[in-house]
Amino acid sequence: EIVLTQSPATLSLSPGERATLSCRASQSVSNYLAWYQQKPGQAPRLLIYDASNRATGIPARFSGSGSGTDFTLTISSLEPEDFAVYYCQQRSNWYTFGQGTKLEIK
Amino acid sequence: EVQLVESGGGLVQPGGSLRLSCAASGFTFSSYWMSWVRQAPGKGLEWVANIKEDGSEKYYVDSVKGRFTISRDNAKNSLYLQMDSLRAEDTAVYYCAGTQSWPPRGDYWGQGTLVTVSS
Repeated sequence: EIVLTQSPATLSLSPGERATLSCRASQSVSNYLAWYQQKPGQAPRLLIYDASNRATGIPARFSGSGSGTDFTLTISSLEPEDFAVYYCQQRSNWYTFGQGTKLEIK
Repeated sequence: EVQLVESGGGLVQPGGSLRLSCAASGFTFSSYWMSWVRQAPGKGLEWVANIKEDGSEKYYVDSVKGRFTISRDNAKNSLYLQMDSLRAEDTAVYYCAGTQSWPPRGDYWGQGTLVTVSS
């Protein structure tokens, strides 16, 4: 099983700041890495697929990078609605999710 | 507008069965891979099963193999998950998800339905 480790577990920032979230895989997942946003009581929402492609309707402030085992989700300037839990997910070998990064308002 | 609406969740005893449904609208259901993904209360996400557009291929996470069956009825724009021999660890919100991508990913999601396995 491919293990995904996200860091940090919690990120405290203010609106307008830049957020950088990390996801590290225990073995290469090529570029089969996605990022999801989840708010309380809601389903996950796909933000980024195949490491760097924004999903339909996702604002340009969200960007993804990386390949192999190290990936990054960047939110260039935080909006109030961006505070949520973010999960990375690989689909190279079945599926696994990271444990999540909670992005909270400072 | 793409819409996925799950139903069929509830309280069931260990060893029991439950059938979840997912009604799809707003897209060509028969052209999409469909999946079930679950999330235990307060926990992370687990991908459970996939089914090909025409139902000819099905894939499962090891923990549900032999107990859960994914199926679909393209004439009814519906996805199903038959869950047998349920265990306490199957307690979760179950989401259906759809995509035209391979390998399947979660482009579209329903709002989820809660399954509680408890005596």
